[in-house]
Amino acid sequence: GAGVSQSPSNKVTEKGKDVELRCDPISGHTALYWYRQSLGQGLEFLIYFQGNSAPDKSGLPSDRFSAERTGGSVSTLTIQRTQQEDSAVYLCASSIRVAQNIQYFGAGTRLSVL
Amino acid sequence: AQTVTQSQPEMSVQEAETVTLSCTYDTSENNYYLFWYKQPPSRQMILVIRQEAYKQQNATENRFSVNFQKAAKSFSLKISDSQLGDTAMYFCAFSWYSGAGSYQLTFGKGTKLSVIP
Repeated sequence: GAGVSQSPSNKVTEKGKDVELRCDPISGHTALYWYRQSLGQGLEFLIYFQGNSAPDKSGLPSDRFSAERTGGSVSTLTIQRTQQEDSAVYLCASSIRVAQNIQYFGAGTRLSVL
Repeated sequence: AQTVTQSQPEMSVQEAETVTLSCTYDTSENNYYLFWYKQPPSRQMILVIRQEAYKQQNATENRFSVNFQKAAKSFSLKISDSQLGDTAMYFCAFSWYSGAGSYQLTFGKGTKLSVIP
């Protein structure tokens, strides 16, 4: 596609429910990153994919958070048993290769946990 | 740990004037990259400018330029001839090779810039 696409744009869920957030990177981009932007905060790194593997999961805040990437393309971030503190904008970024080191971002998914 | 500090939570500038946004960072790395990203209300982070730490020459992109002071660990963004479309949150970000192939970005908390007609 022309840019990084994320869906849904907005998601409202109830505390304790599971949610899945989707990221479709720019075609041909091998590196994919997830970030979280909480209200009034900057962005914090969650996880990095190179192809289908996730060599860096160091930013995932708890074991309720997981992510996968299939076919070296689409990635899904799953949050289980959502809590109110999970409310944030979740941004995905991709780059054509790691060494080029320019990340292109999607418009994010705004998650609201009631 | 790498940290990025933006000391100006909010700034305003008159249209057509020049404004400078400040950013400092802390790192023990020698090879790294610095970025300014713009985030308008649409939420999409847009790359404004990129600087490689090993390059002494300051990066420029049209009306945007940086003042990179490596020894002082300072990386300010100058916007010349400010336009209404420049109104946005501006994030300074730092990237280094963190192992496992990752060049994750560490962001400052942002500066909200308003361009006044």
